[in-house]
Amino acid sequence: KQEVTQIPAALSVPEGENLVLNCSFTDSAIYNLQWFRQDPGKGLTSLLLIQSSQREQTSGRLNASLDKSSGRSTLYIAASQPGDSATYLCAVNYGQNFVFGPGTRLSVLP
Amino acid sequence: GAGVSQSPSNKVTEKGKDVELRCDPISGHTALYWYRQSLGQGLEFLIYFQGNSAPDKSGLPSDRFSAERTGGSVSTLTIQRTQQEDSAVYLCASSPATTHYEQYFGPGTRLTVT
Repeated sequence: KQEVTQIPAALSVPEGENLVLNCSFTDSAIYNLQWFRQDPGKGLTSLLLIQSSQREQTSGRLNASLDKSSGRSTLYIAASQPGDSATYLCAVNYGQNFVFGPGTRLSVLP
Repeated sequence: GAGVSQSPSNKVTEKGKDVELRCDPISGHTALYWYRQSLGQGLEFLIYFQGNSAPDKSGLPSDRFSAERTGGSVSTLTIQRTQQEDSAVYLCASSPATTHYEQYFGPGTRLTVT
């Protein structure tokens, strides 16, 4: 069964800290993995997409890594800001379907 | 350019009524997905359309749920005889294709069944 988990479920940090969110998946036969953020009551905003052949992708203060063989991806957020507060979701693309993790709820305190 | 749009943004209906939710994907996107997000839950895959192929309905929770996509563009998700457990946010996403491209999500429709 294709399952995606995310650790931690919730995280609260002071502004300025660097942090790492984790995503694990059981089936490594993936096409790509996508990280999203979701603000309360809103839809999903795409942050980064990593193809199965790639090791990492960077966008501004965000860096996502992928280790397909071990079924893991991490999202690194540098110099966190209160505006980063949201729920972060990873989604694994298996071609015919995307499987989402339950999310990590991040709070960055001013 | 225009993103994925969904309508209505909010829908309140009485138990037992039928509802239709609409999704307008990004122009040119061949893949379209419907998901459901219940309060405090993750995203649950419902149905997926790719071009003119038969849709993948494997995620639909019951035969009260159906979806169609007309002309390879607009999609409607229909829920018949709504139940209170159908209350959720219904999200639509589109993608240029399925395997190597990212999904773009609409803002969702919040459905409340009273």
